[in-house]
Amino acid sequence: DQQVKQNSPSLSVQEGRISILNCDYTNSMFDYFLWYKKYPAEGPTFLISISSIKDKNEDGRFTVFLNKSAKHLSLHIVPSQPGDSAVYFCAANVNSGNTPLVFGKGTRLSVIA
Amino acid sequence: EPEVTQTPSHQVTQMGQEVILRCVPISNHLYFYWYRQILGQKVEFLVSFYNNEISEKSEIFDDQFSVERPDGSNFTLKIRSTKLEDSAMYFCASSEALRLAGYTFGSGTRLTVV
Repeated sequence: DQQVKQNSPSLSVQEGRISILNCDYTNSMFDYFLWYKKYPAEGPTFLISISSIKDKNEDGRFTVFLNKSAKHLSLHIVPSQPGDSAVYFCAANVNSGNTPLVFGKGTRLSVIA
Repeated sequence: EPEVTQTPSHQVTQMGQEVILRCVPISNHLYFYWYRQILGQKVEFLVSFYNNEISEKSEIFDDQFSVERPDGSNFTLKIRSTKLEDSAMYFCASSEALRLAGYTFGSGTRLTVV
């Protein structure tokens, strides 16, 4: 049962352009969403999060958009840089307690110089 | 910056053998987690640990798995009798509080069962 889905396994973007990574979820109880970035041979690193009471959260070059009615969120990176090349995981959970994060399968972003 | 440290980085073991994966969480963190990622698959939750006991576990975390915090600094995952399908990257994570942005992951242990 894939509660968090990242349907694009990979994405290539030119340096300087916008990268848009998408994520869909099925569990309507989810109310907290996160993006993690993972480089090879390293653990996932927290990037940005959004609570379900918001529809947008911005941090520098990274913006996460949440569309609750569509159960969809996206991560925008602009401008994309070669150092952004990594696997990006969408994760979600119910923030009312110590409930575990549920991850998607990840999208491998390649930013081409 | 504080880190979660995992050892070893790579473990090869024979099927049926016991393995212990070790983690040193960030010292002021109270919540501890094990996740795993089978090659090409999603990162899957195994178990969470708080106040010296398991707070939640997934279906994957069956009787072959156990966790311990033996000495107040280490957090270990033991697999009693490894199977081929246990081959995966195992990630330890810790957090200061229930707020999830505080999850810090270690670099992982690649377990290969042959």
